[in-house]
Amino acid sequence: EPEVTQTPSHQVTQMGQEVILRCVPISNHLYFYWYRQILGQKVEFLVSFYNNEISEKSEIFDDQFSVERPDGSNFTLKIRSTKLEDSAMYFCAQRQGEGYYGYTFGSGTRLTVV
Amino acid sequence: GESVGLHLPTLSVQEGDNSIINCAYSNSASDYFIWYKQESGKGPQFIIDIRSNMDKRQGQRVTVLLNKTVKHLSLQIAATQPGDSAVYFCAENPIIQGAQKLVFGQGTRLTINP
Repeated sequence: EPEVTQTPSHQVTQMGQEVILRCVPISNHLYFYWYRQILGQKVEFLVSFYNNEISEKSEIFDDQFSVERPDGSNFTLKIRSTKLEDSAMYFCAQRQGEGYYGYTFGSGTRLTVV
Repeated sequence: GESVGLHLPTLSVQEGDNSIINCAYSNSASDYFIWYKQESGKGPQFIIDIRSNMDKRQGQRVTVLLNKTVKHLSLQIAATQPGDSAVYFCAENPIIQGAQKLVFGQGTRLTINP
């Protein structure tokens, strides 16, 4: 089964700093997602991305967040000015295509904002 | 609104016994459901899925039951092993205008006692 690789595995950043989280795409997977999990809570949807466009975003995904996948390379999540409450595990997920294909999750990036 | 919840936050069973984890969902537009296992520090790991045109699906030691009448989903794990100790999430996939995303429940922590 293909795996989703995320980098870094752990990042500590100062409040107000920008961070970029990366996800390596699986070959022929077309749909990309970012999810967030605050410690001890459920996994929350942030954004879905298809054909170089955002398909849907949640209320959490405000103007401080952005995603891109330049030239078919890594799928990235950028947080422009981090806040303490952004501390969480961030998971990238990918899905092959339409229909009932499973979502494959990465092992996550633990973001700690201090 | 969308919500997926679990009846019990924790469940302890003896090794070798069967376990049942329950989940209630509220979005009648969901037609695809997945159970994930999450071990500490790792991303959600796919266990089993089921489409809404089915009421039961079996895998290796796991069975998922879907009751659309009462919007209830359950995961049965047979002959539990220490490696089954983890947090289990149900997730639903509402199909709305082609957009797809997973909505997760709160999670149940399963502990297997020796």
